[in-house]
Amino acid sequence: AQKITQTQPGMFVQEKEAVTLDCTYDTSDQSYGLFWYKQPSSGEMIFLIYQGSYDEQNATEGRYSLNFQKARKSANLVISASQLGDSAMYFCAMRPLWSGNTPLVFGKGTRLSVIA
Amino acid sequence: DVKVTQSSRYLVKRTGEKVFLECVQDMDHENMFWYRQDPGLGLRLIYFSYDVKMKEKGDIPEGYSVSREKKERFSLILESASTNQTSMYLCASIKGGTGGRRETQYFGPGTRLLVL
Repeated sequence: AQKITQTQPGMFVQEKEAVTLDCTYDTSDQSYGLFWYKQPSSGEMIFLIYQGSYDEQNATEGRYSLNFQKARKSANLVISASQLGDSAMYFCAMRPLWSGNTPLVFGKGTRLSVIA
Repeated sequence: DVKVTQSSRYLVKRTGEKVFLECVQDMDHENMFWYRQDPGLGLRLIYFSYDVKMKEKGDIPEGYSVSREKKERFSLILESASTNQTSMYLCASIKGGTGGRRETQYFGPGTRLLVL
């Protein structure tokens, strides 16, 4: 069974600053994928970034980067140069990679508030 | 552009009513999922389906049933709605088998259900 832990229920960050959202995971699978999603107040889930367990480099997508530390089982999301539009809930999720049939397992989320 | 649609964004029902939540995807995906989202609990899997007429229980199936008569449509049914089923319901889909291994799940916009 997989488990995702997000220990920060809420975070505040000043506009234009960088922020790190924590995510630790537990799994017995050797091959797995880690995903981050953003959920604005409107409710839709927006996919941000993906990291595979065997990927040699940390994933980056624009202002988003994933600080993947496999030995520590952590996959923290780093948002650089925060913007007011980054205020949202952020969810870390994972699943085994042997097929697309397996559901994502989600953490409880972190609410990020960006302050002007 | 990929698309997952849900029949209603907001729904108000009375205790004891039978409630149908519909989800349709236009990506020819084999796998479809229903999640429930509650504050502080993240997203929890109710049911999923990896093929027409196939279904698997998730983590919290009690009080729910599902139907998948066509590949593109996955329905969540609350046989007798109760106030503790007031929640946000999210549908998702993904390509099946090894084709979906490194893919994100695609989410619908969500249905906010209030049971009075």
